[in-house]
Amino acid sequence: DIQMTQSPSSLSASVGDRVTITCRASQSIRTYLNWYQQKPGKAPKLLIYAVSTLHSGVPSRFSGSGSGTDFTLTINSLQPDDFATYYCQETYSTPYIFGQGTKLDIK
Amino acid sequence: QLQESGPGLVKPSQTLSLTCTVSGGSISSGSHYWSWLRQPAGKTLEWIGRIYTSGSTNYNPSLESRLTISVDTSKNQFSLSLTSVTAADTAVYYCATNSGTYFDYWGQGILVTVSS
Repeated sequence: DIQMTQSPSSLSASVGDRVTITCRASQSIRTYLNWYQQKPGKAPKLLIYAVSTLHSGVPSRFSGSGSGTDFTLTINSLQPDDFATYYCQETYSTPYIFGQGTKLDIK
Repeated sequence: QLQESGPGLVKPSQTLSLTCTVSGGSISSGSHYWSWLRQPAGKTLEWIGRIYTSGSTNYNPSLESRLTISVDTSKNQFSLSLTSVTAADTAVYYCATNSGTYFDYWGQGILVTVSS
């Protein structure tokens, strides 16, 4: 299976900050990389698919980049609603592995 | 919308059975895969497997020997059956649809605990 390594595993930031989360795949996954946001007790929500395409309704302060094995999720001007756990996911090949998650909390 | 249903408690060695009901559209329309995923408390998500509207399936190799996913188009539902469960199968189970290569719509999740 492909391994997906996210960093950092946790992150503290303030409203208005810019944060970056990275995700590294153990082999090239081309552009088959998605990002999800999950809040406690809730299902994950799709934020970005195919590295950089924002899902419908996702604010433009979210952006994604990368290709091959190294990817980033950037959130500009953090809002209170953004404090959550973020997961990357490869859909290059089944069984579609998720990263271990990055918990973003308020500093 | 997707909604999971089924027992919240299953005894070890028994079979875990869940159903996902799709509303707001036909499960047979479009080019969708219908997937199951799970998440143990405090851990990351695990893709379990998926079914296409034609009935073709793909399973996670780690679960394949115990797993069956089926679809009932007349009821607009798809189902998960996982046999010989252990405590390691305790998790929140989600159904989701994937259009293309991403999971865009999810059920709210159902907690299944394996315990005697």
